[in-house]
Amino acid sequence: AQSVSQHNHHVILSEAASLELGCNYSYGGTVNLFWYVQYPGQHLQLLLKYFSGDPLVKGIKGFEAEFIKSKFSFNLRKPSVQWSDTAEYFCAAPNSGYALNFGKGTSLLVTP
Amino acid sequence: DAGVIQSPRHEVTEMGQEVTLRCKPISGHNSLFWYRQTMMRGLELLIYFNNNVPIDDSGMPEDRFSAKMPNASFSTLKIQPSEPRDSAVYFCASSSTSGYNEQFFGPGTRLTVL
Repeated sequence: AQSVSQHNHHVILSEAASLELGCNYSYGGTVNLFWYVQYPGQHLQLLLKYFSGDPLVKGIKGFEAEFIKSKFSFNLRKPSVQWSDTAEYFCAAPNSGYALNFGKGTSLLVTP
Repeated sequence: DAGVIQSPRHEVTEMGQEVTLRCKPISGHNSLFWYRQTMMRGLELLIYFNNNVPIDDSGMPEDRFSAKMPNASFSTLKIQPSEPRDSAVYFCASSSTSGYNEQFFGPGTRLTVL
């Protein structure tokens, strides 16, 4: 089973700033990692996922994440954020069964 | 595909009343999850099923909460009696065991208990 921890709970950025949200996972065998996004008033949606292969994963809306095994990290990045990226972001990894362990979430506010 | 379907989308009830939330998973998915989300506690896994069988209900807060999955296309989460502290958004999600645990979430039910 893997647990995940997210370092930043609240992030405020101006439009066009670069974004990096931290996620660390605990070692637990096969690594499957996810980033989900929850826009205000909506449900969680998958941003991107890593199962194997290229450690640089590209997702929707210009987001990407890099799996760095030596650092047990899977940080989410975006070169230039927009106001519409205001949302809560969750990192997740499978537990010992069929469920996912979600991080506590990072609330991102992008100001005009 | 219609995605995960939840009903009702909003529910307002009075303390002591029974509340039933409903979920239809994505066709072909064999795992179903119930979550609760509040500002104070964030996203909490309440219970999940695999092939209609409850696998882990350790997140169910107390005996007032119960969940069933009578078949592969339907699940209910019941709160009886409801209390104001049960006010939250309840999400249902489903996944396929062949899909590396990737979960697909429904739109949620916003429950308000007065």
